[in-house]
Amino acid sequence: QVQLVESGGGVVRPGTSLRVSCVASGFSFSNYAMNWVRQAPGKGLQWMGVVSSDGNTADYGDSVKGRFTISRDNSRNTVYLEMNNLRVEDTAVYYCVKTDCESASCRLLDSWGQGSLVTVST
Amino acid sequence: DIQMTQSPSTLSASVGDRVTITCRASQSIGTWLAWYQQKPGKAPKLLIQEVSILQSGVPSRFSGSGSGTEFALTVSGLQPDDVATYHCQQYHISVTFGQGTKVEVK
Repeated sequence: QVQLVESGGGVVRPGTSLRVSCVASGFSFSNYAMNWVRQAPGKGLQWMGVVSSDGNTADYGDSVKGRFTISRDNSRNTVYLEMNNLRVEDTAVYYCVKTDCESASCRLLDSWGQGSLVTVST
Repeated sequence: DIQMTQSPSTLSASVGDRVTITCRASQSIGTWLAWYQQKPGKAPKLLIQEVSILQSGVPSRFSGSGSGTEFALTVSGLQPDDVATYHCQQYHISVTFGQGTKVEVK
């Protein structure tokens, strides 16, 4: 079965950077686009972005465009979310999410990891 | 951006009741509408895609309807296991979610 395990969250200061990772198993990782979605404490879901199955194309939500970068290493079955210039309002659980097809236009979120908490605080 | 508005924000009903959650899009999204169930402390789980296609293993008491800008998720016979927050998502242009509906059992 599909398993997605995030890691790399923690407490960081505003203005710093952090990379969250997600290791996938149970499916042919290199055949599917991967997304990141976050959820601030007590709030709804917010889409961060997507990377295509081959890693060549990425697309981002407006709120993080230019600050966050999504990449992947198919040899390691791993997708990354690099977050720069972090703000207090970026505090959230970050979920790694598999889609149902290859391209960066794939946006149906069919399998979710358990999430990694990132806290941005002074 | 396409805005998604869910109502109500919270819903309390008795076991066996039929409950309906609505989701309205700020512009037409065709049938590119999904519903997710998020139980307390857990990650969301895909319930329904393309308005009305149930995922494998989802109980048949769940159903989805609508098109264009108006959509609904109905639970026909609420069960204690259905206590969760339900999120709608459009995936016609980019991705946006509704703010969520928390379902409680009286």
